[in-house]
Amino acid sequence: NAGVTQTPKFQVLKTGQSMTLQCAQDMNHEYMSWYRQDPGMGLRLIHYSVGAGITDQGEVPNGYNVSRSTTEDFPLRLLSAAPSQTSVYFCASSSLEQAYEQYFGPGTRLTVT
Amino acid sequence: GQNIDQPTEMTATEGAIVQINCTYQTSGFNGLFWYQQHAGEAPTFLSYNVLDGLEEKGRFSSFLSRSKGYSYLLLKELQMKDSASYLCAVRGEEQTGANNLFFGTGTRLTVIP
Repeated sequence: NAGVTQTPKFQVLKTGQSMTLQCAQDMNHEYMSWYRQDPGMGLRLIHYSVGAGITDQGEVPNGYNVSRSTTEDFPLRLLSAAPSQTSVYFCASSSLEQAYEQYFGPGTRLTVT
Repeated sequence: GQNIDQPTEMTATEGAIVQINCTYQTSGFNGLFWYQQHAGEAPTFLSYNVLDGLEEKGRFSSFLSRSKGYSYLLLKELQMKDSASYLCAVRGEEQTGANNLFFGTGTRLTVIP
């Protein structure tokens, strides 16, 4: 089991560029989510999904889109990158039966200049 | 709204015991979680409390009082590798199939020889 994988590990974008952060899990988890982590702030939920074809907004969704076409994959799209989106992004997944434990991916460190 | 408070930093000595406190005010309550995060790495699950009382898991224990909106994480026999950030998180109103967590800013623990 690879667990939760994220690509890329590091990315630098210019303001206005778009890109997709990839997240995949091989544990057949129904629930997947994206968080961002900024210095002095807790992890904040961007978007989440409870199954293929079902997504919803979290605490800070503006500027981000998601889709969930398969159970395994949950990509996060930045539509037009802004310096305020400079952050570390974590993808997480969990099963609905054991919803108390979330597994986090290794993170993507994004810098927008 | 959601509010979680925990100390920003703590220092403790190798072999000692340390208690990290967390207070919370959330709209609804469906579990309190503790995660460990080493610098530059992903958070990893430590413990989960949904009922009042103490949950023990090896050197780590977590306590919850729902009436007081209070939890603590107790680390015994501290080791140098326990130097990390400890994140308190609450799962609020239960949404169908969701496992959304609201995180505090984390407590950075430094273990000294």
